Amino acid sequence: EPEVTQTPSHQVTQMGQEVILRCVPISNHLYFYWYRQILGQKVEFLVSFYNNEISEKSEIFDDQFSVERPDGSNFTLKIRSTKLEDSAMYFCASTGQGPGAFFGQGTRLTVV
Amino acid sequence: GEDVEQSLFLSVREGDSSVINCTYTDSSSTYLYWYKQEPGAGLQLLTYIFSNMDMKQDQRLTVLLNKKDKHLSLRIADTQTGDSAIYFCAERMGSGNTGKLIFGQGTTLQVKP
Repeated sequence: EPEVTQTPSHQVTQMGQEVILRCVPISNHLYFYWYRQILGQKVEFLVSFYNNEISEKSEIFDDQFSVERPDGSNFTLKIRSTKLEDSAMYFCASTGQGPGAFFGQGTRLTVV
Repeated sequence: GEDVEQSLFLSVREGDSSVINCTYTDSSSTYLYWYKQEPGAGLQLLTYIFSNMDMKQDQRLTVLLNKKDKHLSLRIADTQTGDSAIYFCAERMGSGNTGKLIFGQGTTLQVKP
């Protein structure tokens, strides 16, 4: 069964460092998303991406964040200068023609 | 505003039915979803319902939607210990099937043997 895959599963980084979280969406899907879940809090929308551009972004998705689809399969989230409060589980999701939104296993980002 | 609310905790005995409730605010949402999250794992899509439906059944899962009251529920029949997890409801914003999802805070289901 097709699935969304994310790497790495866990990333530890020092405050101020750049991180890139990687995702491979389901192959025939066209709409891609990043969400995050801070421990004990709700899953929050960050950004949606379609046709090589951002469709929508939340207030959380400031200038420190960027997304890219560098090739036909990968979808990345970059955080330029990480802060302690960026520590969270980051989920990638994709949607195809149907309404199902499929999530990856997540990347746990720990900023120290 | 955008808000989805769930009760935080539900405990049932194995073999009983579980009912997890959710309320949402956006009356224009076309799809509502249920996800399951096991410890340390991602969000597994369990089922979704189109907003013009009242009910959807999928094996042990039954989703009921009361659009007038903006109330969604997930019933799990014959609950098993493997159903222990956090269950999230979510509404899809906007009129299509590509908008962002707004999640509730999740209901922890504890199934006692």
